[in-house]
Amino acid sequence: GAGVSQTPSNKVTEKGKYVELRCDPISGHTALYWYRQSLGQGPEFLIYFQGTGAADDSGLPNDRFFAVRPEGSVSTLKIQRTERGDSAVYLCASSLSSGGKQHFGDGTRLSIL
Amino acid sequence: AQSVAQPEDQVNVAEGNPLTVKCTYSVSGNPYLFWYVQYPNRGLQFLLKYITGDNLVKGSYGFEAEFNKSQTSFHLKKPSALVSDSALYFCAVRDNNNDMRFGAGTRLTVKP
Repeated sequence: GAGVSQTPSNKVTEKGKYVELRCDPISGHTALYWYRQSLGQGPEFLIYFQGTGAADDSGLPNDRFFAVRPEGSVSTLKIQRTERGDSAVYLCASSLSSGGKQHFGDGTRLSIL
Repeated sequence: AQSVAQPEDQVNVAEGNPLTVKCTYSVSGNPYLFWYVQYPNRGLQFLLKYITGDNLVKGSYGFEAEFNKSQTSFHLKKPSALVSDSALYFCAVRDNNNDMRFGAGTRLTVKP
């Protein structure tokens, strides 16, 4: 069956630009997670949605980062005024319910020049 | 705060030999522990988890992990390694907010 889909798979943009990263979770999964993985590091938690609401956004590094999930399905991670340090692979995961096994997408590789 | 540590950046084993990838954890309360594998340019794939019950947990692709409460460890094991097992392995703990905290990862290389 269809897994978690993330688009684009790669994004290259200039410093200072705005980017949006999209995540399509597995159908019916109520929980959705965003992680950031820098080179040589493990995934770092960013934000977790239960339905439409952000249950925990404590991992967002600063106010340039924002995420939405308006209909409780697709989620968009938005980064304003990008910086070179934002370059990383952004992973999305979904689970059937809060605390359930998480299924990961292949990630979006973001490169800020 | 919950955390995990993977003390080895790299593990090398010969094909057919047993492998162990180490993980230690720090939690308040009962630990919910996980292992994931990551192949190049791919997302994380779930291998196994420990929530409660038997200390030896069996997972995908012949992997298993042993939960040891006294040593606060959750080492990943496989009796006979395959070249195709070569990948990056992450240990993780789920904290009280249902957020996953990952270790830095261990690169496993299995040589023919």
